[in-house]
Amino acid sequence: GAGVSQSPSNKVTEKGKDVELRCDPISGHTALYWYRQRLGQGLEFLIYFQGNSAPDKSGLPSDRFSAERTGESVSTLTIQRTQQEDSAVYLCASSLWVRVAGELFFGEGSRLTVL
Amino acid sequence: ELKVEQNPLFLSMQEGKNYTIYCNYSTTSDRLYWYRQDPGKSLESLFVLLSNGAVKQEGRLMASLDTKARLSTLHITAAVHDLSATYFCAEYSGAGSYQLTFGKGTKLSVIP
Repeated sequence: GAGVSQSPSNKVTEKGKDVELRCDPISGHTALYWYRQRLGQGLEFLIYFQGNSAPDKSGLPSDRFSAERTGESVSTLTIQRTQQEDSAVYLCASSLWVRVAGELFFGEGSRLTVL
Repeated sequence: ELKVEQNPLFLSMQEGKNYTIYCNYSTTSDRLYWYRQDPGKSLESLFVLLSNGAVKQEGRLMASLDTKARLSTLHITAAVHDLSATYFCAEYSGAGSYQLTFGKGTKLSVIP
């Protein structure tokens, strides 16, 4: 596609349920990032993938959070046993090559509400 | 601890006025990015600054980078209502890590 695509755009879930968020990056972009943005706040880094290298998971807030990416394609962010503090917009971004000074292109985000 | 600090965090300005948003960062990174976010929308890339002394301009916005001072500025000239948005600066964390660390954002409101 022309841009980064994320789904679902909105997700309302009950506390304790698992959720999966999907990101389809721009074709040819080897780097993929997940960020979290709480209401009125800045962006909090979660994880990034670069080609077939080991992902940088240093931003994942707890072991309830995990992410996968197959090659240079779609990525899924999974949150297990959701808590109310997980409510946020989850933004995915992709970049041509992380070592090159290209900017990140962001998707529209998945808004997660945990009741 | 990596820090990217923006100020002000909130800015209300009249149309036609000039103002500058400041972005201080804590690493020796020579790459600095500016993004715009409209309410309920995602982030749009504005500028990529790649070296000390870099200056880029687009319309009423001009961004500059001083790596020695670890400072980037976003200057707004003759503000118009359409510039109302939240502006974020971001920089790469440095050697071995490619996290893009964001500031908290500056919420700009341009009023008639």
